[in-house]
Amino acid sequence: GAGVSQSPSNKVTEKGKDVELRCDPISGHTALYWYRQSLGQGLEFLIYFQGNSAPDKSGLPSDRFSAERTGGSVSTLTIQRTQQEDSAVYLCASSLLMAGNTIYFGEGSWLTVV
Amino acid sequence: QKEVEQDPGPLSVPEGAIVSLNCTYSNSAFQYFMWYRQYSRKGPELLMYTYSSGNKEDGRFTAQVDKSSKYISLFIRDSQPSDSATYLCAMSPGGSQGNLIFGKGTKLSVKP
Repeated sequence: GAGVSQSPSNKVTEKGKDVELRCDPISGHTALYWYRQSLGQGLEFLIYFQGNSAPDKSGLPSDRFSAERTGGSVSTLTIQRTQQEDSAVYLCASSLLMAGNTIYFGEGSWLTVV
Repeated sequence: QKEVEQDPGPLSVPEGAIVSLNCTYSNSAFQYFMWYRQYSRKGPELLMYTYSSGNKEDGRFTAQVDKSSKYISLFIRDSQPSDSATYLCAMSPGGSQGNLIFGKGTKLSVKP
């Protein structure tokens, strides 16, 4: 597709369950980012993948969060043993590796933990 | 002090007004400055992108960067109800650093 695609668009899960969120970046984009946006808060950086380099995981809030990117394209963000405070919009973005880090976002995966 | 400060608003203006949105920042290494617009329940979309200091104009939108004051602005002329959205500033040092630092966003409402 032309844009960043994320699935599921909405997910309601029970506390303690694991969830997987998927991101399909724009074709040809080498950089992929995950951000989290909680109600009334700005975007919080989670993790960044760039080509074959080791990912920048500095934003992951706890070891319950992990992400992988297979074949330099699709990425999956996994949250284990979900907690209510994990409820947020999880936004994926991608970019070419060019000066300025101009990134393009998907529509987000809206996660609710009950 | 947070790296990027942005007044969350909400800001309400009448149609046709000039809107001024602002962010301040503390990291003098920031070189790239962006404004994103986010409609309700949508992902942010890039609106304006500026490198270093100066002005950039695109239609009704003008972005200004003053690195000496660590202050960036977005002006919207002849505002329209369709401009009602949350506006997020973002910035980075660029180069190999991966992530953008975002402000919390300002919610704008343009009343017909």
